Amino acid sequence: KNQVEQSPQSLIILEGKNCTLQCNYTVSPFSNLRWYKQDTGRGPVSLTIMTFSENTKSNGRYTATLDADTKQSSLHITASQLSDSASYICVVRSGGSYIPTFGRGTSLIVHP
Amino acid sequence: DAEITQSPRHKITETGRQVTLACHQTWNHNNMFWYRQDLGHGLRLIHYSYGVQDTNKGEVSDGYSVSRSNTEDLPLTLESAASSQTSVYFCASSESVENTEAFFGQGTRLTVV
Repeated sequence: KNQVEQSPQSLIILEGKNCTLQCNYTVSPFSNLRWYKQDTGRGPVSLTIMTFSENTKSNGRYTATLDADTKQSSLHITASQLSDSASYICVVRSGGSYIPTFGRGTSLIVHP
Repeated sequence: DAEITQSPRHKITETGRQVTLACHQTWNHNNMFWYRQDLGHGLRLIHYSYGVQDTNKGEVSDGYSVSRSNTEDLPLTLESAASSQTSVYFCASSESVENTEAFFGQGTRLTVV
């Protein structure tokens, strides 16, 4: 069964600090992996997509990495801001299915 | 600007009643999806559609139905609402099965009492 596990479940950091969120998956065969940001009371919004051949991709202060061999991805947030407080969801799509597998998300709180 | 909208944003209903949640997108996307989001479970797929007249069951489809009579709309119906269906419901759409970026609505919070 395809699974996506995210860690930590929740994280509290001070404004200006960096943090890294983890995503481990057992989806096979792998097609792509997306990170979504979900603000409280809103729907998720895509931050970045990683395909098999990509190791690193940046979107402003967000940097995603992918290790397809170990089936791990990380999302690094640099110089955190209060607006980064949200849930971050890892979503993996298998090459054999059009239906993606969602992780349960990491809840990030940034304190001033 | 193209968008996807859900209505209502909040709904309280009684056990046993039929409830319909609306989803309307102006992206002209073929693919539309309904998810529910609960604490400890993340987003779970209820139903999805790849085009007009096409509907498919997701992992938690029991007690729910959808119909797709046009490209823009995918209403979700709870045939006989149960307390276990209290949740936040999200509708999403995507351009194609290959381009998997999904655009989500703002969600409907449904409470069944």
